[in-house]
Parts: sequence; structure tokens; C-alpha cells
Amino acid sequence: GENVEQHPSTLSVQEGDSAVIKCTYSDSASNYFPWYKQELGKGPQLIIDIRSNVGEKKDQRIAVTLNKTAKHFSLHITETQPEDSAVYFCAALYPSSGDKLTFGTGTRLAVRP
Amino acid sequence: DAGVIQSPRHEVTEMGQEVTLRCKPISGHDYLFWYRQTMMRGLELLIYFNNNVPIDDSGMPEDRFSAKMPNASFSTLKIQPSEPRDSAVYFCASSLARGVGELFFGEGSRLTVL
Repeated sequence: GENVEQHPSTLSVQEGDSAVIKCTYSDSASNYFPWYKQELGKGPQLIIDIRSNVGEKKDQRIAVTLNKTAKHFSLHITETQPEDSAVYFCAALYPSSGDKLTFGTGTRLAVRP
Repeated sequence: DAGVIQSPRHEVTEMGQEVTLRCKPISGHDYLFWYRQTMMRGLELLIYFNNNVPIDDSGMPEDRFSAKMPNASFSTLKIQPSEPRDSAVYFCASSLARGVGELFFGEGSRLTVL
């Protein structure tokens, strides 16, 4: 079925350190993996996405890696800053379910100044 | 563009009352989605529309929930009668396409049913 597991549920890092959030999906046909950032009192906002034809994508301090064989993908944030503190959601697109986008349960990231 | 606009931002009501949440999508977006966010279940898709037509309502929890999109710039999600377990943040989102591509979320409507 459609399932996206996300770990850890909470993460606390020192400012300047790196943060890594991992997700796994269940359908090998999944071909699109976005990451959303949700700040307090706001709706989720897309920060980066990756398609299944590439293994890695970078955008300044954030990067996403995809391992199709293992069916997992990760978000990497380097040189973390206090404004990176938020809840991060991964998601996977399930073509077999009518292109349904299924979200992970979220990771609450706290960056300590 | 102002983005996706939702109202009300906060709603507190008593069990058994009718609740109506409203959404104005981004102009030109053909898809509109209603999500519910809770601590226990995360972000759940309730229903989505394409060109004002409901396509998939399999996520709607029960008959107490209904959604309409009378035109391209307005949608409602109604709960009647409301129950305490309906307490959650309800998000509306819109997009240009289904599947691949960015979902633009509103700021959400926080519903508390006492």
C-alpha cells in the first residue's frame, strides 16, 4: 500500500552542524519525491524535490539523495541556522494509486543557537 | 498573487454544530486539495478537485464531511455535525498539475470542537 516512513520524528542540532532526515517508501514505481518545510502557524512549503531519474540534487545548503534500490531518500541540511527550525515532511508519489502524493509523518527540527 | 487563502484561521465550536471552512485557490490552478493535519495521523488527503469536479473523495472520513467547488476560485469543506475528534488543522492547497509539481498550501484553518 501507500506508505512513507520518516525518521527521526524530532531532531536537535547545534547551529552550524548538519541535519539529516531519512524517508522510505514502499512502491518501486514511485517517481517523484518532494520535501516540504512547515513553519509554526503556516502551511507546508516546497523546498526541494527529486525525480527518480537522478540520484542527488542540491540547492545551496540543502540536498536530497535518492536510493531507488533501497527505496529510500534523505534530506541533508548543512551549516544549519536558527531559521531552519521547522517541521519537515517528505513525500512520495504513487502512480499506482492515481498519482497520489503520500506524506511522511514529519520531523521537528530544532537548531540551537 | 496572494497565494491560497483560507478562512477562518481559527474556529472553536461545540459538538453537533455545523462547520464550514473556505478556500480560495491560486488563480489559474486547475487542482484543489483539502488536507487534514493531526499529530497522530500527519497530513491526510481528504479530497481533491480538477477543474471544479471532485475526482477522489476516498479520504473523506465519513458522511459528516462534504466538500464543494462551485467555481474555479472558491471551495468549501463542511462538517455536519461536528465531533471532538474532528479537531485538527485543515489545509487547502492548489496546483497546476496532479502528481509531479509544487503544491501551494494555505495557512490552514485550526478547528477545535468542544
